[in-house]
Amino acid sequence: AQSVTQPDIHITVSEGASLELRCNYSYGATPYLFWYVQSPGQGLQLLLKYFSGDTLVQGIKGFEAEFKRSQSSFNLRKPSVHWSDAAEYFCAVGFISNFGNEKLTFGTGTRLTIIP
Amino acid sequence: DVKVTQSSRYLVKRTGEKVFLECVQDMDHENMFWYRQDPGLGLRLIYFSYDVKMKEKGDIPEGYSVSREKKERFSLILESASTNQTSMYLCASSDSGVPNTEAFFGQGTRLTVV
Repeated sequence: AQSVTQPDIHITVSEGASLELRCNYSYGATPYLFWYVQSPGQGLQLLLKYFSGDTLVQGIKGFEAEFKRSQSSFNLRKPSVHWSDAAEYFCAVGFISNFGNEKLTFGTGTRLTIIP
Repeated sequence: DVKVTQSSRYLVKRTGEKVFLECVQDMDHENMFWYRQDPGLGLRLIYFSYDVKMKEKGDIPEGYSVSREKKERFSLILESASTNQTSMYLCASSDSGVPNTEAFFGQGTRLTVV
């Protein structure tokens, strides 16, 4: 069965420092991978997605992620964080259900705190 | 601008009540989803619908049912609310036909069952 693991529950980073959020997935076929962000009191917004092709994908707000098939990972990175990046981040894998329909499975999320 | 609208941001209901959570999307999407979000557990899929009157159980369907009579509207029903259903509920929609396109989310409904 498919699954997504985000090993870091909470990360604290200084403003201006670099960031890497980890995501590992388990899925038997070619994965469709996503990163979403949820600001306090808001729904989820898509940051970036990977379907195929170049394994380094660029997203909104200066984020990027790299797909590494050999490590079953899809880590999210940003070279310099801003206070407005404080939020919860979710990794997700898209797959086809047993009935042939498209579904998303999410990780448990990583809460990002930014300190001045 | 694309939009998924959930009818309530906050709801307080009593144990045993029948509760309806409504979700409307204006993007003509085939797929609609209901997730439950709890601290430390992430988003868990309750039910999803891939067409009008068509549905499939997600990972945690017990205690819930859904209704999709029109393409734009997807309702989550708690037949007899219980305190362990206190949670944040998120509705989402996505297009079909293109493999796993982006899902668009509503703002969420925070339900408290007392």
